Amino acid sequence: ILNVEQSPQSLHVQEGDSTNFTCSFPSSNFYALHWYRWETAKSPEALFVMTLNGDEKKKGRISATLNTKEGYSYLYIKGSQPEDSATYLCALVTTDSWGKLQFGAGTQVVVTP
Amino acid sequence: DAGVTQSPTHLIKTRGQQVTLRCSPKSGHDTVSWYQQALGQGPQFIFQYYEEEERQRGNFPDRFSGHQFPNYSSELNVNALLLGDSALYLCASSLDGGTGRGRGYTFGSGTRLTVV
Repeated sequence: ILNVEQSPQSLHVQEGDSTNFTCSFPSSNFYALHWYRWETAKSPEALFVMTLNGDEKKKGRISATLNTKEGYSYLYIKGSQPEDSATYLCALVTTDSWGKLQFGAGTQVVVTP
Repeated sequence: DAGVTQSPTHLIKTRGQQVTLRCSPKSGHDTVSWYQQALGQGPQFIFQYYEEEERQRGNFPDRFSGHQFPNYSSELNVNALLLGDSALYLCASSLDGGTGRGRGYTFGSGTRLTVV
């Protein structure tokens, strides 16, 4: 059983502050790492799909990095805004479970004005 | 452009009953996956359908079955419901053959199933 772990479980951020959190995963059989943002009462929204060691991706104020050798990915939010409040999920795809997303439990981010 | 549509949004069933959940993928997507999310956990993979066939299956009992139709829509059926089947069921579609290396999956808002 693969363990995809996310930390912290939750965090509170003041508006305007930057923050980051971690997704850890087994480094063997790596194929891809997905990040999703899930706002309350909405659908999970794809942020990034990362495939190569050293990948860095950016979407607006949100960016992510990937280290497949040591098995972790960081998600960064720069200048947090209340609309960034959501649960951020990472999901691993391995070469022996092609297409199957193995999710972590998520990091819940609350941005207060 | 409509995304993934799931129906119904909420459902209450009695233990032992059977339930069918429905999913229409995003226009142009050909692969549909189903996930179960229990409270406090990340979504758990149930199975994936491509070209009307079950391509992969997660660690779920045979009580969970599915189907994909020629128009790519899909159904998830659960027989002999247990209290532990109460969860949010998410449908996701993609156009990467379900490889997981494309642009990411498009998710629906889910069906909240409560078994009493």
